[in-house]
This record gives sequence, structure tokens and C-alpha cells, in this order.
Amino acid sequence: DQQVKQNSPSLSVQEGRISILNCDYTNSMFDYFLWYKKYPAEGPTFLISISSIKDKNEDGRFTVFLNKSAKHLSLHIVPSQPGDSAVYFCAANSKTSYDKVIFGPGTSLSVIP
Amino acid sequence: KAGVTQTPRYLIKTRGQQVTLSCSPISGHRSVSWYQQTPGQGLQFLFEYFSETQRNKGNFPGRFSGRQFSNSRSEMNVSTLELGDSALYLCASSLEWGGGAQYFGPGTRLLVL
Repeated sequence: DQQVKQNSPSLSVQEGRISILNCDYTNSMFDYFLWYKKYPAEGPTFLISISSIKDKNEDGRFTVFLNKSAKHLSLHIVPSQPGDSAVYFCAANSKTSYDKVIFGPGTSLSVIP
Repeated sequence: KAGVTQTPRYLIKTRGQQVTLSCSPISGHRSVSWYQQTPGQGLQFLFEYFSETQRNKGNFPGRFSGRQFSNSRSEMNVSTLELGDSALYLCASSLEWGGGAQYFGPGTRLLVL
């Protein structure tokens, strides 16, 4: 049972445009959400997180939006750069329960110059 | 500050053998988590240790085990290796356990023949 879903295995975006990566979850106990970026032959790198008490969090070019009623979050990258080409993982857990972190299967983003 | 280190980086074993992987967390980080990554499966949580105690456990068979030492370094062991154990094993460290940003090592690539 996949509790964190990323239904788009891949996404291509032109340089300078907006990249929108989507993530859905099923466990209503999740209260903390994170995005990671992974380049080949490297471990994932933490990008940005959001608590369930918020609906938006920004960090530079990266913004995460959370829609709790729809159990959906998205990562917006504006503007997209070729160096953003990587696999992006959505992750979630119940932080108040100190529970394990569950990762989605990832979305491969290609930013075309 | 040095990042998370994992040794060895690559390993080839045969079915039935056992293997031990090592992880040194970022200095000051007391939580270490282990993940298995296979193509199309994303990151599957194995276990999380904090202060030498296993705090969370994923849905893997008992052949997968781990431990954490007093200096926060961690090892994971896989006994009676199967072909399906071929994967990238990632270690991540964090200040606290049960959620929050994690910092990943480069992983150990295990190939079981």
C-alpha cells in the first residue's frame, strides 16, 4: 500500500519556466512533508519541508504548497534551471508520533535549455 | 562539517552470503536511518536508530538488521543474501529521530549474484 504517491514518473520543462511536481498521500496522520532532490550517484539532498499547520512554505526558487483536504502537495520551482534536472522525492511522516518517514517513488525532472 | 559517509561504496556478493554496511553520520547527529532504493520502488525505509536504540522499523524480513554504536555510527547487516537484495542502500542522519530533515550519504551499491 503506497502511502505517498507521485503519479508522474517524469516531467520536462523549458529553462526559465515553472516546474510543478505533484505528490498525493493517503495517511491522514501525516503532519510533516518534505521534498528531496537526487542526482545520479549521489544521495538525496533535502530541499524544503512544510508542517501541516501551514499551507505554503517558500525558500528561494522553491515553494511547497499543501492542501490537507485533498491530501495533496506540490513543489513549484521558479524559474527552472538546467541544474534542477534530477529526481525529486516527496516524503511524509507523522512527526508528532515520531513515526518513520515514507518516501514516494520519485519524479524525474528534465529542464531543457 | 563532514557529510554522511558510507562504506563500502560498492559490493558484490553471492546468494547465501551475508554483508555488513557501515554509516558514519554528520558530527552531532544522533539519529541514523537506513533505506533501500531499487528501480521504480523509491526509497523503502528499513530502520531508524537513535541513542543506540532502534526507534522505528520498516517492513523488511528479519534477515535485515542493524545497530548503532555509542559514537552514533551505525551498521546494517543482511544475512542469507537473495538476488532481490541487489539495491542501493542509503544511510541518512539527523539531529533528532522521528521526522525532520535528513542528510543522506552517497549510498552503498550492493549487487547479489
